[in-house]
Amino acid sequence: GAVVSQHPSWVICKSGTSVKIECRSLDFQATTMFWYRQFPKQSLMLMATSNEGSKATYEQGVEKDKFLINHASLTLSTLTVTSAHPEDSSFYICSASPPRGPGNTIYFGEGSWLTVV
Amino acid sequence: AQKITQTQPGMFVQEKEAVTLDCTYDTSDQSYGLFWYKQPSSGEMIFLIYQGSYDEQNATEGRYSLNFQKARKSANLVISASQLGDSAMYFCAMSYPFSGGYNKLIFGAGTRLAVHP
Repeated sequence: GAVVSQHPSWVICKSGTSVKIECRSLDFQATTMFWYRQFPKQSLMLMATSNEGSKATYEQGVEKDKFLINHASLTLSTLTVTSAHPEDSSFYICSASPPRGPGNTIYFGEGSWLTVV
Repeated sequence: AQKITQTQPGMFVQEKEAVTLDCTYDTSDQSYGLFWYKQPSSGEMIFLIYQGSYDEQNATEGRYSLNFQKARKSANLVISASQLGDSAMYFCAMSYPFSGGYNKLIFGAGTRLAVHP
């Protein structure tokens, strides 16, 4: 079964509204989670590192006021796309790793397809 | 800075034949991990194989093997006995050290594999 769960899988929202995507680690506590964005026919690009109990770390070029990340518990990180516009339509996917796990233990959520109309 | 290069946008292979997907990387870190993921049209990231930078033997997982040539900084994926279900996008990725741990990933551009009957 899924070790990292992401919800919703699909979301359509109107331009100008906000949408929240959740990423949950089901079998372990994750102090760090990662959010990636993937535009059609492109690769995954790291957006930000979600840190439990502290501010997220954003990659260069990612607007922190537009992509709000909250990591309020050891099993849940949320990504909120604020004032969404059609250009924000993309595939968003999170990943997490158990603490002190082997180097190859990286679990991805199922991903969320966002369409802004 | 870390970089992953996949120079093959698309590859074709006949069913039951073997295929090699190329991946080269660049890093100044001594400790890193190399991953291959399969991404079908659903978007999920399916883990295929992992090679640690200190692993002396090439990793193998069923029909997948990783041809790790450290001096050349290459980590090619070999799929033996291709199946129709192998048709998908394939990403090479590298994990590298950062302040929070070793699970931050950078991805290559990807290779789309088409398996023909």
